[in-house]
Amino acid sequence: QQQVRQSPQSLTVWEGGTTVLTCSYEDSTFNYFPWYQQFPGEGPALLISILSVSDKKEDGRFTTFFNKREKKLSLHIIDSQPGDSATYFCAARASSGSWQLIFGSGTQLTVMP
Amino acid sequence: GPKVLQIPSHQIIDMGQMVTLNCDPVSNHLYFYWYKQILGQQMEFLVNFYNGKVMEKSKLFKDQFSVERPDGSYFTLKIQPTALEDSAVYFCASSQGNSDYTFGSGTRLLVI
Repeated sequence: QQQVRQSPQSLTVWEGGTTVLTCSYEDSTFNYFPWYQQFPGEGPALLISILSVSDKKEDGRFTTFFNKREKKLSLHIIDSQPGDSATYFCAARASSGSWQLIFGSGTQLTVMP
Repeated sequence: GPKVLQIPSHQIIDMGQMVTLNCDPVSNHLYFYWYKQILGQQMEFLVNFYNGKVMEKSKLFKDQFSVERPDGSYFTLKIQPTALEDSAVYFCASSQGNSDYTFGSGTRLLVI
């Protein structure tokens, strides 16, 4: 029940295209959902996060959508750039006093010029 | 932005020896975490630490693991003794409260 499922495992898009990554979860106590971007050899960097009281949050070219009823979230990257090529992780944290982030398995994104 | 520094970036150690991984968290952060990542797989929670105490730990946080932050200096993860399966990248993170984490760049540990 603590699992976060992420798809696809890998994705290739052309420069200028829109990237869509998705995650789903089962635990209804999850209320905080960050997305992290990780480049090879580096630690994950927070990209954008959303709370379960919202259904959309936008930051520049990055938008995350949250569907509480379906227990799904997605990350959209518009005008994808080669510099966006990285591994993206969704994560979730429960509201019940746990501090741990449960991470998805990651999506390796390649943006072709 | 503010950074979490991890020292060393790489460590090779003989099985059975002790290793200490060091983390310098963001200066005004109060909550500290260790995560383990094997070969580009998902990050897995090990432990979180607040006010000098372990608040929560996972089943991956074996008895051979310990954490401390003596006198507000480095937040450390000690493994004693090390085992082959401890080979992984260990990420430290910190947060101000129940909010966004800042991760370090990781320590790549190889136990041989």
